[in-house]
Amino acid sequence: DAGITQSPRHKVTETGTPVTLRCHQTENHRYMYWYRQDPGHGLRLIHYSYGVKDTDKGEVSDGYSVSRSKTEDFLLTLESATSSQTSVYFCAISETSGGSTDTQYFGPGTRLTVL
Amino acid sequence: AQSVTQPDIHITVSEGASLELRCNYSYGATPYLFWYVQSPGQGLQLLLKYFSGDTLVQGIKGFEAEFKRSQSSFNLRKPSVHWSDAAEYFCAVGAGGATNKLIFGTGTLLAVQP
Repeated sequence: DAGITQSPRHKVTETGTPVTLRCHQTENHRYMYWYRQDPGHGLRLIHYSYGVKDTDKGEVSDGYSVSRSKTEDFLLTLESATSSQTSVYFCAISETSGGSTDTQYFGPGTRLTVL
Repeated sequence: AQSVTQPDIHITVSEGASLELRCNYSYGATPYLFWYVQSPGQGLQLLLKYFSGDTLVQGIKGFEAEFKRSQSSFNLRKPSVHWSDAAEYFCAVGAGGATNKLIFGTGTLLAVQP
């Protein structure tokens, strides 16, 4: 299994509070991704990173920001959490951007509940 | 725009029966195609992938999938289902390139009857 950890694994917070989720990898992969998973929607990309300090938006980026100051860590921040951000959040990593190694490996997920 | 459709939200099969999960994609060029499996409370595990070459790809746990360009499909199959195969299955299409973003289908939940 790819060395990907997410913390915390579960979190309950209140509307309006800031929340930061952490993804840590030990594979030294260049690409990292944050997805959210909701019933009936599958997984949707929030933000991704293609290198240290290099990030870009996915399809559902409103209300989220990210940072990557080290290869191994990718942080997802909800600046002011809302109930619509209650979800399961998955981090993924990928070694390259092309060819047969172009495969994403997923972390165990973080279940976030916003009350 | 790229998209993935998994027409079956929920499927129930008997243990030992064959299985086929459907996946249709929309993409202008030759896609990268993936099947992932998610057991309850777990992350996603890669079952198999198609990049090029042989259109019938073998994966882990006895699964296989066939890429059919003419039908824009990448259906997942298994000849004999085991109770441990009960899980949710996701098909995904990737554009590769500079970002390697994936577009996922909404998933098919598989139940296995004894």
